[in-house]
Amino acid sequence: EAGVTQSPTHLIKTRGQQATLRCSPISGHTSVYWYQQALGLGLQFLLWYDEGEERNRGNFPPRFSGRQFPNYSSELNVNALELEDSALYLCASSLVLNQPQHFGDGTRLSIL
Amino acid sequence: EDKVVQSPLSLVVHEGDTVTLNCSYEVTNFRSLLWYKQEKKAPTFLFMLTSSGIEKKSGRLSSILDKKELFSILNITATQTGDSAIYLCAVEAGAGSYQLTFGKGTKLSVIP
Repeated sequence: EAGVTQSPTHLIKTRGQQATLRCSPISGHTSVYWYQQALGLGLQFLLWYDEGEERNRGNFPPRFSGRQFPNYSSELNVNALELEDSALYLCASSLVLNQPQHFGDGTRLSIL
Repeated sequence: EDKVVQSPLSLVVHEGDTVTLNCSYEVTNFRSLLWYKQEKKAPTFLFMLTSSGIEKKSGRLSSILDKKELFSILNITATQTGDSAIYLCAVEAGAGSYQLTFGKGTKLSVIP
């Protein structure tokens, strides 16, 4: 069974640009979660999608947004990139609520 | 605000040693506590604990939850160099929300 897949592996952008990160959940999983892992800060919750709807978001500015497609894959968009957005962005999926989340390898976003 | 604290932040042991990693939490509407192992990229799922006092085991790893004292421990016996990683504790809590709140992790280094 294929795990959670994320693309691209690395992304290099400059300040003010926009970035799009993609995530395909494990087959059959309908919930997708996005987390940011910045140096020294640990994993912080960004967004949760379930059945195509945004269910909850963490303490991040509106520059961070996303969506979930009918096939349950998801996209995270970050607008007006700032240096502090440099981090590893991890996507996780779960089969149903109250089940463990399984993570992808992440996208390393570097802002120059 | 939900809070998860792990200790120690880092630990260096010799192969064959037994280690205990700690995780304490302060959250509203606790549902479950999860342990993950992160080596290079994707955190990999180890355990999900929902009930107090019931030990979960997988090979040399075991974990237990104390919901009265609000903490969990992860034990690793007969450590091997392959156990070197960051161990993450996360809590799922809150009414209607299913995202995880993570601690900052314990970096375990096992030397031959």
